[in-house]
Amino acid sequence: QSALTQPASVSASPGQSITISCTGTSSDVGSYNLVSWYQQHPGKALKLMIYDVSNRPSGVSNRFSGSKSGNTASLTVSGLQAEDEADYYCCSYTTNSIYVFGTGTKVTVL
Amino acid sequence: QVQLQESGPGLVKFSATLSLTCTVSGGSLNNNEWLSWVRQSPGKGLEWIGEGHYSGTTNYNPSLKSRVTTSVDKSNNQFSLNLRSVTAADTAMYYCARGSDYVWDLWGPGIVVTVSS
Repeated sequence: QSALTQPASVSASPGQSITISCTGTSSDVGSYNLVSWYQQHPGKALKLMIYDVSNRPSGVSNRFSGSKSGNTASLTVSGLQAEDEADYYCCSYTTNSIYVFGTGTKVTVL
Repeated sequence: QVQLQESGPGLVKFSATLSLTCTVSGGSLNNNEWLSWVRQSPGKGLEWIGEGHYSGTTNYNPSLKSRVTTSVDKSNNQFSLNLRSVTAADTAMYYCARGSDYVWDLWGPGIVVTVSS
């Protein structure tokens, strides 16, 4: 099972919006609405930001939103803030009954 | 507030068995919750290793299944990982995570494990 493909880096100025793509196959992203997104600040534990493609856990800012089209899921961060600078990983359940992660995207706030 | 904490040796010899423990503190798992091990290495990114439930049910990544064993000790609120015959490719940060319904909502801080020759 290959890793899901994400852009290595994305950058924008404060207040702008960014979208991170997560491209898989019909065996993972395309099969289920079981895509989640995790944020990781340097040296910190991963934090769940989005689950089931577009659901936000309690406590996560509504500036974070998720969507999916075919084999590609996306995470959008609107009104970018300095605290959003981190690594982001997508994850999908697969038809092989395992989980596969994305390659990770480093978000830089300019 | 429930917390997860990984523990174990930070250095493991080549071909030996890597053994880690995840301790759940501040509460217990609900019946619908599972514990997973996930590792992160520079070369391979994040990789799901496997999961376990209080019932004793386990699921493993086929790529590691022949070398992995996990178990849940409900009485001590602990989740263990044993990875046999380690090589340099097993050098990574190992995370414990709590999950349900295909999502992990709580992660431990992780523990760095280095395989030495």
